Amino acid sequence: GENVEQHPSTLSVQEGDSAVIKCTYSDSASNYFPWYKQELGKRPQLIIDIRSNVGEKKDQRIAVTLNKTAKHFSLHITETQPEDSAVYFCAASNWEYGNKLVFGAGTILRVKS
Amino acid sequence: DAGVTQSPTHLIKTRGQQVTLRCSPKSGHDTVSWYQQALGQGPQFIFQYYEEEERQRGNFPDRFSGHQFPNYSSELNVNALLLGDSALYLCASSLELQDNTEAFFGQGTRLTVV
Repeated sequence: GENVEQHPSTLSVQEGDSAVIKCTYSDSASNYFPWYKQELGKRPQLIIDIRSNVGEKKDQRIAVTLNKTAKHFSLHITETQPEDSAVYFCAASNWEYGNKLVFGAGTILRVKS
Repeated sequence: DAGVTQSPTHLIKTRGQQVTLRCSPKSGHDTVSWYQQALGQGPQFIFQYYEEEERQRGNFPDRFSGHQFPNYSSELNVNALLLGDSALYLCASSLELQDNTEAFFGQGTRLTVV
């Protein structure tokens, strides 16, 4: 079945710096790749997603890139702020088959002010 | 719009007991998926319900069962609870439409088995 690996497990950056989180997936049939942010004790919230027919997508300070050949995708956060501190999860799915999400293990991002 | 709501928010059960968790999907959504999130881990897919049928299932034993009602709400049942079943149980809803992908999560039910 699908497997998603996520790195690093923890990431500390200085406020204003950039943060990059990387994920690899195993199932070449995966065609949808969302990123979720989960603050302590709260629900996962979708922050950005990308489909397999697109190589890059940007939303203000957040961007995601996808390399289908290498089967990896990355989250880029620029100009980090303390409120970006949270756990970030990548996921992969095939939305044509019910969109069962397979998640990575998560990255704890700490933004130091 | 209330979004996805789950009840209860917290629950403590004893080993061997049975538990039922409930989920109301976001208004207009017809598909409900359940996930188990152990402490420090990513959510793991349990199963998905659409049109009152279990459509997909993850690698969970038969002790985990579910149901979807005509109003699209759903229940997750776990029998013969084990200590290892302690986790945050998340419900996610979505709309079954071509090209639609986004899943909205509820706040979860924190289950503790003692």
